[in-house]
Amino acid sequence: GAVVSQHPSWVICKSGTSVKIECRSLDFQATTMFWYRQFPKQSLMLMATSNEGSKATYEQGVEKDKFLINHASLTLSTLTVTSAHPEDSSFYICSAWQGWEPEAFFGQGTRLTVV
Amino acid sequence: AQSVTQPDIHITVSEGASLELRCNYSYGATPYLFWYVQSPGQGLQLLLKYFSGDTLVQGIKGFEAEFKRSQSSFNLRKPSVHWSDAAEYFCAVGDDAGNMLTFGGGTRLMVKP
Repeated sequence: GAVVSQHPSWVICKSGTSVKIECRSLDFQATTMFWYRQFPKQSLMLMATSNEGSKATYEQGVEKDKFLINHASLTLSTLTVTSAHPEDSSFYICSAWQGWEPEAFFGQGTRLTVV
Repeated sequence: AQSVTQPDIHITVSEGASLELRCNYSYGATPYLFWYVQSPGQGLQLLLKYFSGDTLVQGIKGFEAEFKRSQSSFNLRKPSVHWSDAAEYFCAVGDDAGNMLTFGGGTRLMVKP
């Protein structure tokens, strides 16, 4: 299957700072990427859908000004958590879609801890 | 809107015993269905998927799942569980294109020696 790389795997940041998470499709071009969030011992919840060259679509309840998504190329989407607070501590995971096969491929996730 | 229910939050089985994890979905059309496994602190690993065709699908690590349209179910099975199978298991349904997933709440599997 296709490979999606997410970086960093884990990050600790101070409250009030911003953190950028990268999601790269390594061996295919991804027309669409998805960002999910998973709180401890909970399931994954879709945060937003990003399409290359256009604005991301956010799910209800997700603050677009807090979670900035940029999908500037067909192989890279970034999620920036702005002015992070401890309640933003979570596991963030992306997936990327080639555009034809009905399956998106997941990155390995990023564990964010805000102190 | 699509939804997925995994009725069992926790399941404990003895090593070598058979396993069945339940998954029920709600979706208007023929669904794209997936099972993923997640070890603690790790990402998701795809076990198997159903798009169409044979309703019994084989996956990795000896897992299989059966799509039953009449019951809106996609239960995951394994004939003999190994201690390394202890993990969190997620069932998911895809949208019309199969790529945007709605996940079930997950089932945590524990394996007794």
